[in-house]
Amino acid sequence: GESVGLHLPTLSVQEGDNSIINCAYSNSASDYFIWYKQESGKGPQFIIDIRSNMDKRQGQRVTVLLNKTVKHLSLQIAATQPGDSAVYFCAENPNGGSQGNLIFGKGTKLSVKP
Amino acid sequence: DTAVSQTPKYLVTQMGNDKSIKCEQNLGHDTMYWYKQDSKKFLKIMFSYNNKELIINETVPNRFSPKSPDKAHLNLHINSLELGDSAVYFCASSQVSGVSGRAYNEQFFGPGTRLTVL
Repeated sequence: GESVGLHLPTLSVQEGDNSIINCAYSNSASDYFIWYKQESGKGPQFIIDIRSNMDKRQGQRVTVLLNKTVKHLSLQIAATQPGDSAVYFCAENPNGGSQGNLIFGKGTKLSVKP
Repeated sequence: DTAVSQTPKYLVTQMGNDKSIKCEQNLGHDTMYWYKQDSKKFLKIMFSYNNKELIINETVPNRFSPKSPDKAHLNLHINSLELGDSAVYFCASSQVSGVSGRAYNEQFFGPGTRLTVL
């Protein structure tokens, strides 16, 4: 089975609301995590990353939370906009993975209603 | 300027054919990757490569072979194409850094190549 997964395959939110996308990972030795955004017909685009020595990291309108105890990762998007509609992937770099090979979760489709 | 580019964007071919997808990155990165994204949007690493080491995902058939003419290019050759090879293939690159060669920097992805095998 895959080591990274998502709780919700689809998420629909109202424009202006906050969005929370969750991710569970199974490799407790993973030390680096990334969230990617993939718009239709495009490649994944980096949003934010976090190392295992942190539990929170903030970017512009986005926050990533890492809970190593329960092996859970979340992406929070503040004031969600129509342009945020996309598929979001979490990815982990497992300990010992050479050259930065990433293991991706299954993805959550975020739909923003105007 | 496009950081990671792939050609072609679309590729339609018959079963049994041999085809190649090209990838170029102008970021000066030392490591490049190929991913396969299936119809359910699941992304899976196929290869990672730098000038020292090729790491192959053991589940990838040996009909797939990466070839790197230089540090900025990593092409994907596929022999004897099968129906199940239909997918979107993404190239990516990163600068490997950190402890024990693990990459802590983001991977930059290309726009993808949609391969359809008939």
